[in-house]
Amino acid sequence: DAGVTQSPTHLIKTRGQQVTLRCSPKSGHDTVSWYQQALGQGPQFIFQYYEEEERQRGNFPDRFSGHQFPNYSSELNVNALLLGDSALYLCASSTRATMSREQYFGPGTRLTVT
Amino acid sequence: EDKVVQSPLSLVVHEGDTVTLNCSYEVTNFRSLLWYKQEKKAPTFLFMLTSSGIEKKSGRLSSILDKKELFSILNITATQTGDSAIYLCAVDTGGGGSNYKLTFGKGTLLTVNP
Repeated sequence: DAGVTQSPTHLIKTRGQQVTLRCSPKSGHDTVSWYQQALGQGPQFIFQYYEEEERQRGNFPDRFSGHQFPNYSSELNVNALLLGDSALYLCASSTRATMSREQYFGPGTRLTVT
Repeated sequence: EDKVVQSPLSLVVHEGDTVTLNCSYEVTNFRSLLWYKQEKKAPTFLFMLTSSGIEKKSGRLSSILDKKELFSILNITATQTGDSAIYLCAVDTGGGGSNYKLTFGKGTLLTVNP
């Protein structure tokens, strides 16, 4: 059973550029959440997608946007990159089909902005 | 603003010691409290707690929640070097319906020396 997968593993971008990160949820999961984890910090909630719509959003600017596809996979887009966007970006998947609220995390994408 | 505070931020012990990690929270909408272990990248799920006073146990790890005093503890007995990791506490502060949103603490870095 494939767990949550993310691509790419690492990414180096320059300030002002745009980046797209990808996530495939665990088999059977329909909800995808994105988190940003800066060095030495806990993950911070960016947003959550279900049924191809953004359902909840954390305290992140509009430069952060996302998308969910019919196969439940998701993308996170960040425009006009800042140095402060350097972080580990984690994707977590879950399902609304059961009462379990457990989220499974992917290995993350390490983004470095220079 | 929702807040989750973990203590200590770091801890160094010897193999065989018992450790207690603390997590306190102040949130507007509590659904559940979760503990994760993060070794390299992907946090892995340990426990989900929703009711006060009921201990959850898995091998040498156990956790309990106090919803009156707004805190949880994670105990690890007979520590092993493989327990070295960052332990993250998160509170599900999701909105209405089935929306999920995890608010994380900064984590406790546990180092177990042989």
